[in-house]
Amino acid sequence: EAGVAQSPRYKIIEKRQSVAFWCNPISGHATLYWYQQILGQGPKLLIQFQNNGVVDDSQLPKDRFSAERLKGVDSTLKIQPAKLEDSAVYLCASSLGGTAQFFGPGTRLTVL
Amino acid sequence: AQTVTQSQPEMSVQEAETVTLSCTYDTSESNYYLFWYKQPPSRQMILVIRQEAYKQQNATENRFSVNFQKAAKSFSLKISDSQLGDTAMYFCAFMVRYGNKLVFGAGTILRVKS
Repeated sequence: EAGVAQSPRYKIIEKRQSVAFWCNPISGHATLYWYQQILGQGPKLLIQFQNNGVVDDSQLPKDRFSAERLKGVDSTLKIQPAKLEDSAVYLCASSLGGTAQFFGPGTRLTVL
Repeated sequence: AQTVTQSQPEMSVQEAETVTLSCTYDTSESNYYLFWYKQPPSRQMILVIRQEAYKQQNATENRFSVNFQKAAKSFSLKISDSQLGDTAMYFCAFMVRYGNKLVFGAGTILRVKS
């Protein structure tokens, strides 16, 4: 069974530029999560989808971050415009809706 | 809001020895789930072990076991017969109910030395 796929693996941008990350969850997993992991900290949830509906986006900085999950499968997370403090690893995870979440390899974003 | 605290930023252990990683949490919920995740240098997060709060018996997975003290809100991970491949960042995490988000601690870097 294929795991959670994410791309790109690394991205370097200048502040005020925009960037997008892509996630393809495990086939059949209805629940998808985006976490932000700042260096030296544990991951923090940005947004949770159930199929293509948003369950929790209370920690998403909506003035610059947006996310969508078209057709309830793939998801994209966008930052526009990026700030220095957005430098982090962005992790995507998926689950069948139970307690087990399966993580992708992450995208490391560096904002200069 | 739930919080998870890992008070040991770094730990080291000799190969084949036993090490215990500490975790405390704060919640007003009576039923919840606790996890230990491992994140090797390649960054892929892997579930190590899971504990349901309503179960008094401590979870065990091969060389990994937990000491769950509900009243003290403590959830430590014991790794027996440590191996070089156990070198990683270990995160303690909390989930208030099925399918909800994970709330993570800051992590403990574990280094296994040969």
